[in-house]
Amino acid sequence: DAGVIQSPRHEVTEMGQEVTLRCKPISGHNSLFWYRQTMMRGLELLIYFNNNVPIDDSGMPEDRFSAKMPNASFSTLKIQPSEPRDSAVYFCASSLARGTSYGYTFGSGTRLTVV
Amino acid sequence: KQEVTQIPAALSVPEGENLVLNCSFTDSAIYNLQWFRQDPGKGLTSLLLIQSSQREQTSGRLNASLDKSSGRSTLYIAASQPGDSATYLCAVIIQGAQKLVFGQGTRLTINP
Repeated sequence: DAGVIQSPRHEVTEMGQEVTLRCKPISGHNSLFWYRQTMMRGLELLIYFNNNVPIDDSGMPEDRFSAKMPNASFSTLKIQPSEPRDSAVYFCASSLARGTSYGYTFGSGTRLTVV
Repeated sequence: KQEVTQIPAALSVPEGENLVLNCSFTDSAIYNLQWFRQDPGKGLTSLLLIQSSQREQTSGRLNASLDKSSGRSTLYIAASQPGDSATYLCAVIIQGAQKLVFGQGTRLTINP
Protein backbone atom coordinates (compact mmCIF):
# COMPACT_ATOMS: atom_id res chain seq x y z
CA ASP A 1 0.00 0.00 0.00
CA ALA A 2 1.70 3.20 -1.20
CA GLY A 3 -0.49 5.43 0.95
CA VAL A 4 -2.02 8.69 -0.22
CA ILE A 5 0.13 10.18 -2.96
CA GLN A 6 0.28 13.90 -3.61
CA SER A 7 2.08 15.82 -6.33
CA PRO A 8 3.97 18.00 -6.62
CA ARG A 9 5.72 18.09 -3.24
CA HIS A 10 6.68 21.73 -3.71
CA GLU A 11 5.28 24.37 -6.02
CA VAL A 12 6.49 27.93 -6.46
CA THR A 13 4.46 30.10 -8.77
CA GLU A 14 3.89 33.73 -9.57
CA MET A 15 0.78 35.58 -8.54
CA GLY A 16 -1.96 35.23 -11.12
CA GLN A 17 -0.85 31.84 -12.40
CA GLU A 18 -2.99 28.72 -12.30
CA VAL A 19 -1.93 26.01 -9.88
CA THR A 20 -3.11 22.40 -9.92
CA LEU A 21 -2.48 20.04 -7.03
CA ARG A 22 -3.00 16.32 -7.45
CA CYS A 23 -3.95 13.46 -5.16
CA LYS A 24 -4.21 9.71 -5.47
CA PRO A 25 -6.10 8.19 -2.52
CA ILE A 26 -5.56 4.74 -1.08
CA SER A 27 -7.13 2.11 -3.28
CA GLY A 28 -10.54 1.10 -1.93
CA HIS A 29 -11.07 4.22 0.15
CA ASN A 30 -14.34 5.94 -0.70
CA SER A 31 -13.84 9.34 0.93
CA LEU A 32 -11.32 12.02 0.01
CA PHE A 33 -10.53 15.26 1.81
CA TRP A 34 -8.53 18.37 0.94
CA TYR A 35 -7.05 20.33 3.88
CA ARG A 36 -4.95 23.47 4.03
CA GLN A 37 -2.44 24.15 6.81
CA THR A 38 -1.08 27.57 7.76
CA MET A 39 0.63 28.84 10.88
CA MET A 40 -2.19 31.25 11.61
CA ARG A 41 -5.21 29.00 11.02
CA GLY A 42 -3.87 25.49 11.50
CA LEU A 43 -5.54 22.69 9.52
CA GLU A 44 -8.71 23.68 7.71
CA LEU A 45 -10.97 21.42 5.67
CA LEU A 46 -11.52 22.81 2.19
CA ILE A 47 -13.73 20.14 0.61
CA TYR A 48 -14.51 16.44 0.85
CA PHE A 49 -15.89 13.81 -1.49
CA ASN A 50 -17.82 10.60 -0.86
CA ASN A 51 -17.81 8.10 -3.73
CA ASN A 52 -16.41 10.83 -6.01
CA VAL A 53 -19.27 13.24 -5.21
CA PRO A 54 -18.51 16.56 -3.45
CA ILE A 55 -20.34 16.58 -0.13
CA ASP A 56 -19.16 19.69 1.66
CA ASP A 57 -17.26 22.52 0.00
CA SER A 58 -18.07 25.15 2.59
CA GLY A 59 -14.40 25.50 3.41
CA MET A 60 -13.34 26.51 -0.09
CA PRO A 61 -12.15 30.09 0.35
CA GLU A 62 -13.59 31.60 -2.79
CA ASP A 63 -14.38 31.03 -6.43
CA ARG A 64 -10.70 30.93 -7.29
CA PHE A 65 -10.58 27.45 -5.75
CA SER A 66 -12.10 24.40 -7.40
CA ALA A 67 -11.78 20.66 -6.82
CA LYS A 68 -12.69 17.65 -8.89
CA MET A 69 -12.72 13.91 -8.45
CA PRO A 70 -13.28 12.36 -11.89
CA ASN A 71 -12.79 8.81 -10.59
CA ALA A 72 -12.09 6.91 -7.41
CA SER A 73 -8.32 7.08 -7.83
CA PHE A 74 -7.67 10.73 -8.62
CA SER A 75 -8.53 14.22 -7.42
CA THR A 76 -7.32 17.72 -8.23
CA LEU A 77 -7.42 21.02 -6.41
CA LYS A 78 -7.06 24.02 -8.68
CA ILE A 79 -6.39 27.64 -7.82
CA GLN A 80 -6.91 30.18 -10.57
CA PRO A 81 -5.66 32.86 -10.31
CA SER A 82 -3.29 32.24 -7.42
CA GLU A 83 -2.50 34.92 -4.82
CA PRO A 84 0.29 35.22 -2.21
CA ARG A 85 -2.23 34.54 0.60
CA ASP A 86 -2.80 31.09 -0.89
CA SER A 87 0.70 30.09 0.21
CA ALA A 88 0.28 27.12 2.54
CA VAL A 89 0.70 23.37 2.75
CA TYR A 90 -2.17 21.52 1.11
CA PHE A 91 -2.92 18.02 2.34
CA CYS A 92 -5.04 15.32 0.81
CA ALA A 93 -6.47 12.53 2.99
CA SER A 94 -8.57 9.47 2.32
CA SER A 95 -10.76 7.23 4.42
CA LEU A 96 -12.82 4.10 4.21
CA ALA A 97 -16.05 4.78 6.03
CA ARG A 98 -16.86 1.56 7.87
CA GLY A 99 -19.86 2.48 9.93
CA THR A 100 -18.48 4.75 12.63
CA SER A 101 -14.95 3.44 12.33
CA TYR A 102 -13.43 6.29 10.33
CA GLY A 103 -9.67 6.37 10.20
CA TYR A 104 -7.94 8.92 8.03
CA THR A 105 -4.67 8.61 6.13
CA PHE A 106 -2.90 11.76 5.02
CA GLY A 107 -0.54 12.37 2.14
CA SER A 108 2.79 14.14 2.55
CA GLY A 109 1.34 17.44 1.37
CA THR A 110 2.13 20.02 -1.29
CA ARG A 111 3.94 23.13 -0.10
CA LEU A 112 2.67 26.00 -2.25
CA THR A 113 4.45 29.33 -2.41
CA VAL A 114 2.91 32.13 -4.45
CA VAL A 115 5.25 35.07 -5.04
CA LYS B 1 -19.81 24.59 15.85
CA GLN B 2 -17.30 22.01 17.04
CA GLU B 3 -14.12 23.50 18.48
CA VAL B 4 -11.05 21.53 19.51
CA THR B 5 -8.49 22.94 21.93
CA GLN B 6 -5.11 21.50 22.82
CA ILE B 7 -3.18 22.45 25.92
CA PRO B 8 -0.34 23.20 26.25
CA ALA B 9 0.62 24.75 22.91
CA ALA B 10 4.25 23.80 23.54
CA LEU B 11 5.98 21.51 25.99
CA SER B 12 9.64 20.83 26.64
CA VAL B 13 10.72 17.99 28.95
CA PRO B 14 13.89 15.99 29.64
CA GLU B 15 14.28 12.55 28.14
CA GLY B 16 12.78 9.70 30.13
CA GLU B 17 9.85 11.58 31.60
CA ASN B 18 6.27 10.47 31.29
CA LEU B 19 3.99 13.18 29.93
CA VAL B 20 0.37 13.96 29.12
CA LEU B 21 -1.02 16.02 26.28
CA ASN B 22 -4.56 17.33 26.57
CA CYS B 23 -7.35 17.78 24.05
CA SER B 24 -10.84 19.14 24.66
CA PHE B 25 -13.82 19.48 22.34
CA THR B 26 -17.03 21.44 22.73
CA ASP B 27 -19.61 19.05 21.22
CA SER B 28 -19.74 15.49 22.54
CA ALA B 29 -21.61 14.25 19.45
CA ILE B 30 -18.57 12.71 17.81
CA TYR B 31 -17.96 9.47 15.94
CA ASN B 32 -14.40 9.09 17.11
CA LEU B 33 -11.18 10.90 17.97
CA GLN B 34 -7.82 10.51 16.29
CA TRP B 35 -4.35 11.54 17.44
CA PHE B 36 -1.72 12.42 14.84
CA ARG B 37 1.95 13.24 14.87
CA GLN B 38 3.51 15.78 12.52
CA ASP B 39 7.26 16.21 12.11
CA PRO B 40 8.53 19.56 10.79
CA GLY B 41 7.85 19.92 7.08
CA LYS B 42 6.17 16.53 6.92
CA GLY B 43 2.68 15.10 6.67
CA LEU B 44 0.46 13.71 9.41
CA THR B 45 1.02 10.25 10.81
CA SER B 46 -1.89 8.58 12.58
CA LEU B 47 -1.01 7.41 16.09
CA LEU B 48 -4.24 6.24 17.67
CA LEU B 49 -7.92 6.13 16.76
CA ILE B 50 -10.51 5.91 19.54
CA GLN B 51 -14.07 5.12 18.58
CA SER B 52 -16.83 6.90 20.49
CA SER B 53 -17.80 3.67 22.25
CA GLN B 54 -14.25 3.13 23.53
CA ARG B 55 -12.51 4.73 26.48
CA GLU B 56 -8.89 4.19 25.52
CA GLN B 57 -6.42 2.83 22.98
CA THR B 58 -2.81 1.80 23.43
CA SER B 59 0.10 1.47 21.05
CA GLY B 60 3.53 0.81 22.47
CA ARG B 61 4.47 3.69 24.78
CA LEU B 62 1.37 5.66 23.80
CA ASN B 63 -1.99 5.54 25.50
CA ALA B 64 -4.95 7.70 24.54
CA SER B 65 -8.11 8.07 26.58
CA LEU B 66 -11.51 9.48 25.67
CA ASP B 67 -14.22 10.88 27.92
CA LYS B 68 -17.03 11.94 25.63
CA SER B 69 -19.28 13.26 28.38
CA SER B 70 -16.69 15.77 29.53
CA GLY B 71 -15.37 16.45 26.03
CA ARG B 72 -11.79 15.46 26.82
CA SER B 73 -9.03 13.24 25.57
CA THR B 74 -5.49 12.73 26.79
CA LEU B 75 -2.43 11.30 25.10
CA TYR B 76 0.00 9.72 27.53
CA ILE B 77 3.58 9.15 26.40
CA ALA B 78 5.68 6.91 28.62
CA ALA B 79 9.46 7.10 28.93
CA SER B 80 9.81 9.91 26.42
CA GLN B 81 12.67 9.89 23.89
CA PRO B 82 14.22 12.62 21.72
CA GLY B 83 12.62 10.92 18.70
CA ASP B 84 9.21 11.75 20.16
CA SER B 85 9.84 15.44 19.44
CA ALA B 86 7.12 16.57 17.03
CA THR B 87 3.79 18.35 16.95
CA TYR B 88 0.88 16.25 18.20
CA LEU B 89 -2.56 16.95 16.80
CA CYS B 90 -5.91 15.87 18.11
CA ALA B 91 -8.92 15.66 15.77
CA VAL B 92 -12.56 14.67 16.19
CA ILE B 93 -15.01 13.42 13.61
CA ILE B 94 -18.36 15.10 13.84
CA GLN B 95 -21.43 12.88 13.80
CA GLY B 96 -23.31 13.17 10.54
CA ALA B 97 -20.53 15.12 8.86
CA GLN B 98 -17.64 12.68 8.49
CA LYS B 99 -15.04 15.43 8.59
CA LEU B 100 -12.10 15.85 10.93
CA VAL B 101 -11.90 18.99 13.05
CA PHE B 102 -8.39 19.61 14.32
CA GLY B 103 -6.93 21.29 17.34
CA GLN B 104 -3.98 23.64 16.93
CA GLY B 105 -1.55 21.03 18.19
CA THR B 106 1.02 20.70 20.96
CA ARG B 107 4.65 21.16 19.94
CA LEU B 108 6.66 18.67 22.01
CA THR B 109 10.42 18.83 22.52
CA ILE B 110 12.26 16.05 24.36
CA ASN B 111 15.69 17.15 25.52
CA PRO B 112 18.49 14.54 25.66
